Amino acid sequence: DVKVTQSSRYLVKRTGEKVFLECVQDMDHENMFWYRQDPGLGLRLIYFSYDVKMKEKGDIPEGYSVSREKKERFSLILESASTNQTSMYLCASSYFGQGNQPQHFGDGTRLSIL
Amino acid sequence: AQSVAQPEDQVNVAEGNPLTVKCTYSVSGNPYLFWYVQYPNRGLQFLLKYITGDNLVKGSYGFEAEFNKSQTSFHLKKPSALVSDSALYFCAVRAYNNAGNMLTFGGGTRLMVKP
Repeated sequence: DVKVTQSSRYLVKRTGEKVFLECVQDMDHENMFWYRQDPGLGLRLIYFSYDVKMKEKGDIPEGYSVSREKKERFSLILESASTNQTSMYLCASSYFGQGNQPQHFGDGTRLSIL
Repeated sequence: AQSVAQPEDQVNVAEGNPLTVKCTYSVSGNPYLFWYVQYPNRGLQFLLKYITGDNLVKGSYGFEAEFNKSQTSFHLKKPSALVSDSALYFCAVRAYNNAGNMLTFGGGTRLMVKP
């Protein structure tokens, strides 16, 4: 089975801190994604990456950056955390393929910014 | 642009009854369509997908979905609901020609199955 592991299940940080969320997948997937999930809004894509050192902005990239130095690891960075970034963050990965491959998700990081 | 609508925030059904969770989509061209399920404090799990071919797609845990091109719908169904099916369900779409390989998700529908 595909395993997508997010480093923290729960995280509490303070406004203005730089926050790192880590994600590792074990299936040699080319694509990796970061989403945030908010009630009633579903999942919104923050960034995705289709290869090492490559990244593309999603729908809501403002206030976030990403890093992909190795194929299996994709990090989400909140440069200066704000209270409106309190949310559930989900990482996913998939084969590059033709876009018909399902994405595999981690269990999420529930981030609270105080 | 591509979009997904799940018109019901919550669906309530009695155990043993059939269930339907609705999804409509909008894309340019042909779609890839997906259903995912999310249990409490977990990530999303893939249930099934429509790529091409038969309009009725069968997936995990006895779920199936019917693709209807004229109505641009992809409703999730199950003939007999279980209490353990209670969860949050997401529909997602991607256009064939979406070079970014990005899915667009609906807002989610909470399914409550009562004993």
